[in-house]
Amino acid sequence: EAQVTQNPRYLITVTGKKLTVTCSQNMNHEYMSWYRQDPGLGLRQIYYSMNVEVTDKGDVPEGYKVSRKEKRNFPLILESPSPNQTSLYFCASSRLGDNEQFFGPGTRLTVL
Amino acid sequence: AQTVTQSQPEMSVQEAETVTLSCTYDTSESDYYLFWYKQPPSRQMILVIRQEAYKQQNATENRFSVNFQKAAKSFSLKISDSQLGDAAMYFCAYRYNNNDMRFGAGTRLTVKP
Repeated sequence: EAQVTQNPRYLITVTGKKLTVTCSQNMNHEYMSWYRQDPGLGLRQIYYSMNVEVTDKGDVPEGYKVSRKEKRNFPLILESPSPNQTSLYFCASSRLGDNEQFFGPGTRLTVL
Repeated sequence: AQTVTQSQPEMSVQEAETVTLSCTYDTSESDYYLFWYKQPPSRQMILVIRQEAYKQQNATENRFSVNFQKAAKSFSLKISDSQLGDAAMYFCAYRYNNNDMRFGAGTRLTVKP
């Protein structure tokens, strides 16, 4: 089954404790991206990647890191999480040239 | 920068009735894509309908149709014969040339039995 997976689905952590949210897709998509969803703001892009070893900032990259060492994986790293990063996070992927993105199930992150 | 505006934070409709959700966007591009996504309580983002800007014909998917007005930069979603399962948050989105997808703030749709 073609899908985008994220882990964990739920995470409660404390300020300053490094964490990684994994994202993996099995569709051989070149393009992958991370979004955060906040009430009244919709989804905003954090980082995106057009291919392996190619990443770029979206609208709200501060406090986040990403890497793209393999085509299928695009982890989101929070080196020192803060309460304002409490949010719902989505990973998405698509083929280059195809404008439809496929979304993962979301990760609910709470930073205390 | 491209922006997407959904002016209705909440809407409600009676079961079996028709409802229209509004969306406007701002862009200087002529060729782009517009989307409506549905997000039920499960939080999954589900593509409802897609419109290519170069196509004049409005997209339709079963009970869902759009009214795409390119000159006015308007992209509304019409849901006919509303069902209880249509209750969800709906997001309008814009994408140009593989760049980031811009989303509106969302409209929460309630369906009354």
